[in-house]
Formats: sequence, C-alpha cells, structure tokens
Amino acid sequence: KNEVEQSPQNLTAQEGEFITINCSYSVGISALHWLQQHPGGGIVSLFMLSSGKKKHGRLIATINIQEKHSSLHITASHPRDSAVYICAVNTGTASKLTFGTGTRLQVTL
Amino acid sequence: NAGVMQNPRHLVRRRGQEARLRCSPMKGHSHVYWYRQLPEEGLKFMVYLQKENIIDESGMPKERFSAEFPKEGPSILRIQQVVRGDSAAYFCASSPTNRINEKLFFGSGTQLSVL
Repeated sequence: KNEVEQSPQNLTAQEGEFITINCSYSVGISALHWLQQHPGGGIVSLFMLSSGKKKHGRLIATINIQEKHSSLHITASHPRDSAVYICAVNTGTASKLTFGTGTRLQVTL
Repeated sequence: NAGVMQNPRHLVRRRGQEARLRCSPMKGHSHVYWYRQLPEEGLKFMVYLQKENIIDESGMPKERFSAEFPKEGPSILRIQQVVRGDSAAYFCASSPTNRINEKLFFGSGTQLSVL
C-alpha cells in the first residue's frame, strides 16, 4: 500500500462543475503539498499546508491531520484546469517528499 | 527573476552513453532537490543538495547515478552507462531554505529517452 493515496485516479468534469480530489496518507507528516502538472510536463506548486484550509482564487485546499486526509477543491471548473493534480507529503525532513500517483483531471466544454 | 531552469528539455541517449542533466535554481535559492518520474508512475525523490554538499541521497540508485551542486554553476545529475530503464522525466526543484514549510519551485523537467 502506498503511503500517499489519491482518488479518483481519473476525473472528467464539465465546465462549471465543482471538483474534489482526495488525498489520504498513512504516515506522520509535517506538511502536505498540492502540485499541478500540466500536459507539457511542468509542475507548479499550488499549496503547502500543515493545518486548516487555504484558498487561492478558485482553488481551496483543506487538511485534517487527525484523519490523515486532505482535499483539493476547484470551484467553477474550466478547461484550462485540465492537468494532473499531485498530492505530496513531507515526512519530517525538508528534503523528502513522498508523492501520490496523481489525479488526471479533464474539464470539457 | 527567472524560475528554475532545466536543460535540456529532451535528451536522447543510446544504451551505455552518459547523460548529464542540468538544473539552475531560482536566484537566491541554495537548496536543490532532484526527482524522477518513471512512465505511468508517480514522482520519486532522488537527492537533496545544498551548495557544494549532498545532504540526502537516499533516493539515488547505488550505481551509475551521481549529483553535484558546485559553488558556481548549475546542479548536475549525471547518469553513467544509461540503460533503457533510466528513461524517465527528471525534475528538479529549489527553495531558499530547508524549512519544512518552504514552498518548492519546480523546473519544467528533462525527458530522458534511452534507445
């Protein structure tokens, strides 16, 4: 079993839909990252959080430390949100991130 | 302020050749991390370097792989005698400090193809 599990693996939504991507982890963590990988391959850091909730534009990330669970929400989804969304956790040192396998999101018109 | 720069974007090597992947961190960043993404797999940590020092190389294969981050110039990930299984996307990221809650900035990656 992977230390970081994401669901769903693949997600197709219509433009305007509210989207939720889930991440569960089985280890103690110091921080959790949400990353976005574009079709061209580049990776962008969306959020880094260790508690509570963060919001940036149409993106919201939440984390529940007790339940070892995080969610990434996208409101009013748009085709340009189509990408792979990756959850990653810091397990105590700055260097090591352990990654989930990603959620491939396709938003259609 | 340019982002993290990786080159080349694409690198083709024949089995047995050497591959050199370069990563220039963001200005002011002295911490560099290398990750590998094998086809259809998630990213995996390889090595963490700070200027002139390897801090953590626990994710590096024991043979053929090495990394450096000299005082001047980019960080280099070197793969000797490449094999087909080395074909992957290699990403580097940088940060200004090694604090746990530091945001990472990623490069666009180098896609290595071994023929």
